[in-house]
Amino acid sequence: EVQLVESGGGLVQPGRSLRLSCTVSGLTFGDYGMSWFRQAPGKGLEWVGFIRSKAYGGTTEYAASVKGRFTISRDDSKSIAYLQMNSLKTEDTAVYYCTRDKLGRYADYWGQGTLVTVSS
Amino acid sequence: DIQLTQSPSFLSASVGDRVTITCRASQDISSSLAWFQQKPGKAPKLLIYAASTLQSGVPSRFSGSGSGTEFTLTISSLQPEDFATYYCQQLNGYPRTFGQGTKVEIK
Repeated sequence: EVQLVESGGGLVQPGRSLRLSCTVSGLTFGDYGMSWFRQAPGKGLEWVGFIRSKAYGGTTEYAASVKGRFTISRDDSKSIAYLQMNSLKTEDTAVYYCTRDKLGRYADYWGQGTLVTVSS
Repeated sequence: DIQLTQSPSFLSASVGDRVTITCRASQDISSSLAWFQQKPGKAPKLLIYAASTLQSGVPSRFSGSGSGTEFTLTISSLQPEDFATYYCQQLNGYPRTFGQGTKVEIK
C-alpha cells in the first residue's frame, strides 16, 4: 500500500522558517517526481512546487508566490521529500500536501496534509 | 500564467442526476488536464487525467472530455458519496494552476 505522510507543520511566527517532510512508503520513491500543494483555510487548491526524479535531473519548479523563499529537496535513500519554507508570511498559512506524480505530472497519491499557521 | 475558469461554482443536484462541470482554459493546453474530488477535511482525490483517462479505482460514472481550451467532467448518475468539491488542474507547463472549484450540494 502506498502511503505519504507529511510532518513538521505547526505554529510559526512571521519571518521564521519551517521544514516539512513527506515520508513515502509502498513505492520506489526515487523513480517519481514529487509535488507540494497547499490550501488556505476555506480556499481552493494551490500548487507550490515540484521536484523531478534524479533520472530527470532532480530539478525543481516553484510557484511565483514562494519562489526564492521555499526550497524542495529529496533524499531518495530515506524516501523523503522536503519543503523548506523560509521568510514565512501570514498568507502562507495553509494545509500543505505532498503528492507522488504519475507520469511526472498527475498527482495520484496524496498525503493527509499538515497544517502550517503563520501568526505572531 | 494559464487561468482556469470552472462553471458553475455551485451546483445543487439530486441523487441520480446527470451532472456536468465545465473548465475553460485561457489558452490551449492540449489534453493536459486533471480533475480532482475533495471532501471536507480530506486530501483531494485524482479522478481523471490527460483530460479523459479514468484513474484506477474511480467509478465509471465519472468521465472527462475535451481538449484545447474547453473541458468537461460528467457524473452520469450522482451518488450520495459524490457530494464534494471538484477542481480542474492544468499541467501544460509551469506554474500548474487550478480552477476555483465547483461545490456539488444535495438538493
